[in-house]
Amino acid sequence: GQNIDQPTEMTATEGAIVQINCTYQTSGFNGLFWYQQHAGEAPTFLSYNVLDGLEEKGRFSSFLSRSKGYSYLLLKELQMKDSASYLCAVRDNQAGTALIFGKGTTLSVSS
Amino acid sequence: KAGVTQTPRYLIKTRGQQVTLSCSPISGHRSVSWYQQTPGQGLQFLFEYFSETQRNKGNFPGRFSGRQFSNSRSEMNVSTLELGDSALYLCASSPEGGSGNTIYFGEGSWLTVV
Repeated sequence: GQNIDQPTEMTATEGAIVQINCTYQTSGFNGLFWYQQHAGEAPTFLSYNVLDGLEEKGRFSSFLSRSKGYSYLLLKELQMKDSASYLCAVRDNQAGTALIFGKGTTLSVSS
Repeated sequence: KAGVTQTPRYLIKTRGQQVTLSCSPISGHRSVSWYQQTPGQGLQFLFEYFSETQRNKGNFPGRFSGRQFSNSRSEMNVSTLELGDSALYLCASSPEGGSGNTIYFGEGSWLTVV
């Protein structure tokens, strides 16, 4: 089966760096996604990794190690608007086209 | 380019009733997936439609059904509503669905069952 684990909550200070970890177990890995979701809004796409390594996009970076079943999302120069839920999702060939989501990490950024 | 549009945004239904939710994908996208989001379970996959055919189905009871039209618009239906069906229902569209990273979500439909 599939299992996605990520911390439930994290707190950080404006201007700081935070790393949100995600571990997964799948039978047929076919890509890992990170989404940001503000309360009451749609999830918005942040990053996608299908090969090992680091993908950088502005203040956000995402890392993947397929052999370890591990990914992290790195947020730099935190801003108050980064307070949101961060969702890790895996596409598994055995699940077809479905994305399997973790329960999300609620990040609170304080001044 | 318009995003994924879901209607209605908010609705309240009574136990035992049925509900139909609609999703218009991004123009040119042929895959539409539906997810249920609740505080306890997070986002869970319901089903996916591609070219008017259900291509993939999650682990939900038969009360949950859907369809897709020739213009790629999709509807999902929940019959005999239960209190536990109260959730945010999200629609996601992508060109093909099975590969790549182009998956975009709509704002969702908030369903409250009383």
